[in-house]
Amino acid sequence: DTGVSQNPRHKITKRGQNVTFRCDPISEHNRLYWYRQTLGQGPEFLTYFQNEAQLEKSRLLSDRFSAERPKGSFSTLEIQRTEQGDSAMYLCASSRQGSQPQHFGDGTRLSIL
Amino acid sequence: AQTVTQSQPEMSVQEAETVTLSCTYDTSESDYYLFWYKQPPSRQMILVIRQEAYKQQNATENRFSVNFQKAAKSFSLKISDSQLGDAAMYFCAYPGSGNTGKLIFGQGTTLQVKP
Repeated sequence: DTGVSQNPRHKITKRGQNVTFRCDPISEHNRLYWYRQTLGQGPEFLTYFQNEAQLEKSRLLSDRFSAERPKGSFSTLEIQRTEQGDSAMYLCASSRQGSQPQHFGDGTRLSIL
Repeated sequence: AQTVTQSQPEMSVQEAETVTLSCTYDTSESDYYLFWYKQPPSRQMILVIRQEAYKQQNATENRFSVNFQKAAKSFSLKISDSQLGDAAMYFCAYPGSGNTGKLIFGQGTTLQVKP
């Protein structure tokens, strides 16, 4: 069990640029989640994959956000035309089927200049 | 709307003492899980303890235990014999409706442990 891995750990970019984050879940986990966490707050759900299928998206996920999990393994989260309000920690988590607990990565901290 | 409420933004405890963090939630589900997660500063969020709602017995993991009151929709975390390494932000979480397993988190409680 190598844990959930997220890259990069930090991303600083100018407003209007596109950014992409990667998440590698625990290998035998078929569920993958993306959350966004702002300073001093709890994580908020963004989207969920079961294997390669994206089964749920939060209303927080505007059309500038897109996520993929092409082969049911790693996932990417892309933000286009970044805005100041996108500055946050983006967390990835994975779990087995059912009500198994989620394992979180270290997150990617995004800062918009 | 499904919500999770942690009414204590900050708590402080003396090393070796006991502290209780509170959490209430709102759901119409009858069978569900509840979780407490710990997030140390700039570090990974890790699971502390899990409670199954259909079990009347409160979950226990070493120094961590819960007081689960299903009727009151209350799920508090008790940390006994507090250690300096317990200092972190603690989140109560509940899986939202449906079968996705997505978690709804409370606002968090920052726990300070004083030596």
